[in-house]
Amino acid sequence: SYELTQPPSVSVSPGQTARITCSGDALPKQYAYWYQQKPGQAPVLVIYKDTERPSGIPERFSGSSSGTTVTLTISGVQAEDEADYYCQSADSSGTFYVFGTGTKVTVL
Amino acid sequence: EVQLVESGGGLVQPGGSLRLSCAASGFTFSNYWMHWVRQAPGKGLVWVSRFSTDGSSISYADSVKGRFTISRDNAKNTLYLQMNSLRAEDTAVYYCARAGPDGGLDFWGQGTLVTVSS
Repeated sequence: SYELTQPPSVSVSPGQTARITCSGDALPKQYAYWYQQKPGQAPVLVIYKDTERPSGIPERFSGSSSGTTVTLTISGVQAEDEADYYCQSADSSGTFYVFGTGTKVTVL
Repeated sequence: EVQLVESGGGLVQPGGSLRLSCAASGFTFSNYWMHWVRQAPGKGLVWVSRFSTDGSSISYADSVKGRFTISRDNAKNTLYLQMNSLRAEDTAVYYCARAGPDGGLDFWGQGTLVTVSS
């Protein structure tokens, strides 16, 4: 089955930049989406269609794509950004959705 | 305000069945594809199933195919997940989520916990 691979954890100091990668063979053909999940809460969409930011999401969140890897960048990290982050996409046919393995962002 | 409220979770024995519901409000339910996503305790998100606006496109994760059935009642603004032959590994919080026009899951419910244990 199709898989999306993320690093388990990323640590960053306040004000610095956090980058989270997500790798998958079908990413050149399918859009990627990113979700933020804080403990005990439902996920929140922070990036859609690789690079777009929903209304209400701070500008410090951005997305990029290159080949089989997509990247979520958080610029000027704040304490409130400490959370788990998941990428999501679909298989090459677009039939089956898949989530990445998840990355825990720790703000030092 | 968009709201998705799941219900129907609980404790069930292995091999048993459970039916989850997701009541939608604040938007035109019939215009949106809907999904179920689950999360085992302390683990990551796992996509379970999706249902198109009219049922012409339905798909399931391999792990639940043949055991779970997704359905919807557009007149009642409700999404369902019938879960049969439940296993311990199905223990999770189950979320319903709306697929926005750009494909991402733009609204989520708060989830309902399903525990499969004897």
